[in-house]
Amino acid sequence: EVQVLQSGGGLVQPGGSLRLSCAASGFTFSRYDMSWVRQAPGKGLEWVSLITGSGGSTYYADSVKGRFTISRDNSKNTLYLQMNSLRGEDTAVYYCATTLWSGYHAFDIWGQGTMVTVSS
Amino acid sequence: QSALTQPASVSGSPGQSITISCTGSSSDVGSYNLVSWYQQHPGKAPKLTIYEGSKRPSGVSNRFSGSKSGNTASLTISGLQTEDEADYYCCSYVTSSAYVFGTGTKVTVL
Repeated sequence: EVQVLQSGGGLVQPGGSLRLSCAASGFTFSRYDMSWVRQAPGKGLEWVSLITGSGGSTYYADSVKGRFTISRDNSKNTLYLQMNSLRGEDTAVYYCATTLWSGYHAFDIWGQGTMVTVSS
Repeated sequence: QSALTQPASVSGSPGQSITISCTGSSSDVGSYNLVSWYQQHPGKAPKLTIYEGSKRPSGVSNRFSGSKSGNTASLTISGLQTEDEADYYCCSYVTSSAYVFGTGTKVTVL
Protein backbone atom coordinates (compact mmCIF):
# COMPACT_ATOMS: atom_id res chain seq x y z
CA GLU A 1 0.00 0.00 0.00
CA VAL A 2 1.30 3.43 -0.93
CA GLN A 3 1.78 5.71 2.06
CA VAL A 4 3.47 8.98 2.90
CA LEU A 5 3.65 9.79 6.59
CA GLN A 6 4.63 13.24 7.75
CA SER A 7 6.22 14.40 10.97
CA GLY A 8 8.03 17.38 12.44
CA GLY A 9 5.53 20.21 12.67
CA GLY A 10 4.96 22.41 15.72
CA LEU A 11 5.22 25.85 17.23
CA VAL A 12 8.31 27.95 16.52
CA GLN A 13 9.22 31.57 17.18
CA PRO A 14 9.74 34.04 14.35
CA GLY A 15 13.25 33.72 13.02
CA GLY A 16 13.47 30.13 14.18
CA SER A 17 13.96 26.88 12.31
CA LEU A 18 12.07 23.65 11.87
CA ARG A 19 12.53 20.50 9.81
CA LEU A 20 9.66 18.53 8.34
CA SER A 21 9.91 14.90 7.28
CA CYS A 22 7.86 12.76 4.93
CA ALA A 23 8.45 9.00 5.04
CA ALA A 24 7.30 7.09 1.97
CA SER A 25 6.46 3.43 1.53
CA GLY A 26 4.83 1.17 -1.02
CA PHE A 27 6.59 2.60 -4.09
CA THR A 28 10.11 3.04 -5.47
CA PHE A 29 10.77 6.38 -3.81
CA SER A 30 13.88 7.31 -5.80
CA ARG A 31 12.00 7.22 -9.10
CA TYR A 32 9.64 10.06 -8.25
CA ASP A 33 9.88 13.81 -7.88
CA MET A 34 8.51 15.02 -4.56
CA SER A 35 6.95 18.35 -3.63
CA TRP A 36 5.88 20.33 -0.61
CA VAL A 37 2.60 22.23 -0.74
CA ARG A 38 1.26 24.41 2.07
CA GLN A 39 -2.05 25.90 3.12
CA ALA A 40 -2.33 28.81 5.51
CA PRO A 41 -5.32 28.71 7.87
CA GLY A 42 -8.49 29.45 5.92
CA LYS A 43 -6.51 30.07 2.74
CA GLY A 44 -5.73 28.31 -0.52
CA LEU A 45 -3.01 25.90 -1.54
CA GLU A 46 0.49 27.15 -2.35
CA TRP A 47 3.20 25.08 -4.01
CA VAL A 48 6.43 25.47 -2.03
CA SER A 49 9.19 23.30 -3.46
CA LEU A 50 10.09 20.30 -5.64
CA ILE A 51 13.02 17.92 -5.71
CA THR A 52 13.75 15.48 -8.50
CA GLY A 53 13.92 11.75 -7.85
CA SER A 54 17.70 11.65 -7.76
CA GLY A 55 17.84 14.73 -5.58
CA GLY A 56 19.99 16.43 -8.17
CA SER A 57 17.67 19.36 -8.84
CA THR A 58 15.55 21.50 -6.56
CA TYR A 59 13.02 24.26 -7.20
CA TYR A 60 11.37 26.79 -4.90
CA ALA A 61 8.57 29.29 -4.80
CA ASP A 62 9.83 32.86 -4.59
CA SER A 63 8.20 33.20 -1.15
CA VAL A 64 10.57 30.67 0.42
CA LYS A 65 13.66 30.86 -1.78
CA GLY A 66 16.81 31.32 0.28
CA ARG A 67 15.07 30.32 3.54
CA PHE A 68 13.80 26.78 2.89
CA THR A 69 15.80 23.79 1.69
CA ILE A 70 14.24 20.64 0.25
CA SER A 71 16.22 17.40 0.37
CA ARG A 72 15.74 13.66 0.32
CA ASP A 73 17.45 10.52 1.52
CA ASN A 74 16.59 7.78 -0.95
CA SER A 75 18.21 5.14 1.26
CA LYS A 76 15.64 6.01 3.94
CA ASN A 77 12.74 6.75 1.55
CA THR A 78 12.35 10.10 3.26
CA LEU A 79 11.76 13.66 2.07
CA TYR A 80 12.70 16.70 4.14
CA LEU A 81 11.97 20.39 4.28
CA GLN A 82 14.39 22.48 6.34
CA MET A 83 12.75 25.79 7.16
CA ASN A 84 14.91 28.64 8.43
CA SER A 85 14.23 32.31 9.20
CA LEU A 86 10.58 31.48 9.72
CA ARG A 87 7.98 34.23 9.51
CA GLY A 88 4.37 34.53 10.59
CA GLU A 89 3.25 34.12 7.01
CA ASP A 90 4.84 30.66 6.95
CA THR A 91 2.17 29.46 9.38
CA ALA A 92 0.34 26.73 7.49
CA VAL A 93 -0.41 23.06 7.12
CA TYR A 94 2.40 21.58 5.07
CA TYR A 95 1.76 18.61 2.79
CA CYS A 96 4.24 16.42 0.96
CA ALA A 97 2.93 15.26 -2.40
CA THR A 98 3.90 13.37 -5.51
CA THR A 99 2.43 11.76 -8.59
CA LEU A 100 2.65 8.03 -9.19
CA TRP A 101 -0.08 7.35 -11.73
CA SER A 102 -1.19 10.69 -13.18
CA GLY A 103 1.44 11.92 -15.59
CA TYR A 104 4.32 14.02 -14.32
CA HIS A 105 2.70 17.30 -13.40
CA ALA A 106 -0.04 16.57 -10.89
CA PHE A 107 -0.20 15.38 -7.30
CA ASP A 108 -2.09 12.14 -6.75
CA ILE A 109 -0.48 11.13 -3.47
CA TRP A 110 -0.62 13.46 -0.46
CA GLY A 111 0.63 13.18 3.08
CA GLN A 112 -1.71 13.77 5.97
CA GLY A 113 -0.38 17.26 6.52
CA THR A 114 1.55 18.74 9.42
CA MET A 115 0.85 22.08 11.09
CA VAL A 116 3.58 24.67 11.44
CA THR A 117 2.81 27.68 13.62
CA VAL A 118 5.20 30.62 13.69
CA SER A 119 4.40 32.83 16.65
CA SER A 120 6.03 34.42 19.67
CA GLN B 1 3.96 33.99 -9.93
CA SER B 2 0.43 35.11 -9.10
CA ALA B 3 -2.27 32.64 -8.14
CA LEU B 4 -4.66 31.56 -10.86
CA THR B 5 -8.08 33.20 -10.60
CA GLN B 6 -11.12 31.15 -9.64
CA PRO B 7 -14.59 32.27 -8.55
CA ALA B 8 -14.88 32.29 -4.78
CA SER B 9 -18.04 30.23 -4.79
CA VAL B 10 -20.30 28.25 -7.08
CA SER B 11 -23.54 26.57 -6.11
CA GLY B 12 -26.05 24.23 -7.65
CA SER B 13 -28.90 21.89 -6.81
CA PRO B 14 -28.54 18.12 -6.74
CA GLY B 15 -28.51 16.72 -10.26
CA GLN B 16 -27.50 19.98 -11.88
CA SER B 17 -24.19 20.73 -13.60
CA ILE B 18 -21.78 23.41 -12.51
CA THR B 19 -18.58 24.76 -14.04
CA ILE B 20 -15.61 26.27 -12.22
CA SER B 21 -13.26 28.47 -14.21
CA CYS B 22 -9.54 28.91 -13.65
CA THR B 23 -7.94 31.86 -15.40
CA GLY B 24 -4.22 32.24 -15.78
CA SER B 25 -1.96 33.67 -18.42
CA SER B 26 0.10 32.73 -21.43
CA SER B 27 2.90 31.84 -18.99
CA ASP B 28 1.01 29.06 -17.28
CA VAL B 29 -2.45 27.79 -18.27
CA GLY B 30 -2.09 29.05 -21.82
CA SER B 31 1.32 27.53 -22.41
CA TYR B 32 0.80 23.99 -21.18
CA ASN B 33 -2.00 21.46 -21.16
CA LEU B 34 -0.93 20.59 -17.64
CA VAL B 35 -3.74 21.86 -15.46
CA SER B 36 -4.86 19.65 -12.61
CA TRP B 37 -7.85 19.99 -10.32
CA TYR B 38 -8.17 19.06 -6.65
CA GLN B 39 -11.13 18.48 -4.38
CA GLN B 40 -10.63 19.25 -0.70
CA HIS B 41 -13.07 18.50 2.08
CA PRO B 42 -12.66 20.37 5.39
CA GLY B 43 -9.72 19.13 7.42
CA LYS B 44 -8.63 16.71 4.71
CA ALA B 45 -5.76 16.56 2.25
CA PRO B 46 -6.57 17.52 -1.34
CA LYS B 47 -7.62 14.79 -3.75
CA LEU B 48 -6.66 14.79 -7.43
CA THR B 49 -9.74 14.95 -9.62
CA ILE B 50 -8.44 15.88 -13.08
CA TYR B 51 -4.92 15.96 -14.52
CA GLU B 52 -3.39 17.10 -17.79
CA GLY B 53 -6.42 19.23 -18.41
CA SER B 54 -9.02 16.56 -19.00
CA LYS B 55 -7.83 13.16 -17.75
CA ARG B 56 -9.47 11.46 -14.80
CA PRO B 57 -7.46 9.41 -12.32
CA SER B 58 -8.62 5.89 -11.69
CA GLY B 59 -11.52 5.87 -9.26
CA VAL B 60 -12.72 9.39 -9.94
CA SER B 61 -16.31 9.64 -11.08
CA ASN B 62 -16.95 10.40 -14.75
CA ARG B 63 -19.21 13.20 -13.51
CA PHE B 64 -16.00 15.24 -13.32
CA SER B 65 -14.59 16.61 -16.57
CA GLY B 66 -11.99 19.19 -17.51
CA SER B 67 -11.30 21.41 -20.48
CA LYS B 68 -9.26 24.40 -21.54
CA SER B 69 -9.63 27.35 -23.87
CA GLY B 70 -6.80 29.81 -24.20
CA ASN B 71 -5.68 30.95 -20.77
CA THR B 72 -8.73 29.54 -18.98
CA ALA B 73 -9.25 25.99 -17.74
CA SER B 74 -12.58 24.69 -16.52
CA LEU B 75 -13.86 21.91 -14.29
CA THR B 76 -17.41 20.71 -14.82
CA ILE B 77 -19.27 18.60 -12.30
CA SER B 78 -22.38 17.03 -13.75
CA GLY B 79 -25.17 15.35 -11.81
CA LEU B 80 -24.18 17.30 -8.70
CA GLN B 81 -24.29 15.26 -5.49
CA THR B 82 -24.16 16.29 -1.86
CA GLU B 83 -20.72 14.72 -1.45
CA ASP B 84 -19.38 17.08 -4.11
CA GLU B 85 -19.69 19.94 -1.64
CA ALA B 86 -16.06 20.91 -1.04
CA ASP B 87 -13.34 23.36 -2.01
CA TYR B 88 -11.83 22.95 -5.47
CA TYR B 89 -8.42 24.16 -6.62
CA CYS B 90 -6.86 24.27 -10.05
CA CYS B 91 -3.11 24.03 -10.50
CA SER B 92 -0.92 24.69 -13.49
CA TYR B 93 2.63 23.76 -14.32
CA VAL B 94 4.81 26.80 -14.87
CA THR B 95 8.23 26.79 -16.45
CA SER B 96 11.24 25.39 -14.54
CA SER B 97 9.38 22.73 -12.58
CA ALA B 98 7.28 25.17 -10.62
CA TYR B 99 3.56 25.14 -10.07
CA VAL B 100 0.87 27.69 -9.30
CA PHE B 101 -2.46 26.97 -7.66
CA GLY B 102 -5.74 28.75 -8.11
CA THR B 103 -7.43 30.88 -5.47
CA GLY B 104 -9.95 28.13 -4.75
CA THR B 105 -13.70 27.75 -5.21
CA LYS B 106 -16.20 26.68 -2.59
CA VAL B 107 -18.88 24.48 -4.12
CA THR B 108 -22.20 24.43 -2.30
CA VAL B 109 -24.93 21.92 -3.03
CA LEU B 110 -28.23 23.63 -2.35
